Amino acid sequence: GAVVSQHPSRVICKSGTSVKIECRSLDFQATTMFWYRQFPKQSLMLMATSNEGSKATYEQGVEKDKFLINHASLTLSTLTVTSAHPEDSSFYICSASPPLQSVADTQYFGPGTRLTVL
Amino acid sequence: GQNIDQPTEMTATEGAIVQINCTYQTSGFNGLFWYQQHAGEAPTFLSYNVLDGLEEKGRFSSFLSRSKGYSYLLLKELQMKDSASYLCAVRAGGYNKLIFGAGTRLAVHP
Repeated sequence: GAVVSQHPSRVICKSGTSVKIECRSLDFQATTMFWYRQFPKQSLMLMATSNEGSKATYEQGVEKDKFLINHASLTLSTLTVTSAHPEDSSFYICSASPPLQSVADTQYFGPGTRLTVL
Repeated sequence: GQNIDQPTEMTATEGAIVQINCTYQTSGFNGLFWYQQHAGEAPTFLSYNVLDGLEEKGRFSSFLSRSKGYSYLLLKELQMKDSASYLCAVRAGGYNKLIFGAGTRLAVHP
């Protein structure tokens, strides 16, 4: 099956610093990647949709200048949390979607990154 | 607006059957997915429905009624390892975008 990796799996940083999270599709080309945030005991909240070579589309209420997304290639997307604050502490999950060949094609999720801002 | 509802928590006994319901109201519909998520891990794909009816995959089955905006996930022969959150998600809009419900936390006890 399709594999998506994320790095790092866990990061602790000081308030005010920036953190970069990488999402890679290992065995397929992902035309679209998605970034989610998940707070404890809550569901996944879509933050943004990124397509290779174009600007990301952010969901309502997500600050594009704070959460910078770069989808530089068909196998890599990065999320940078700029000037992180304690309220940004969360579980960040990416997913990747290959070109749709079947209506059953789904998103493949990375293992997630646990961000803790002190 | 987009709205997906599922029960917050459910409990069941090992070996039993449990049904997790999901209702949705979305602008556009191109399929409904069920995912399983263990605490601290990424969601894993369980099932997909786009046409009305029942899809069966081993111990798991999923049902869809598009006219009622309703789906359920049926888990049979429950095992302790089935204790997890179950997420209902609707694909609506472009780019294979998924809208997730809040998830149902299932606790299986002996």
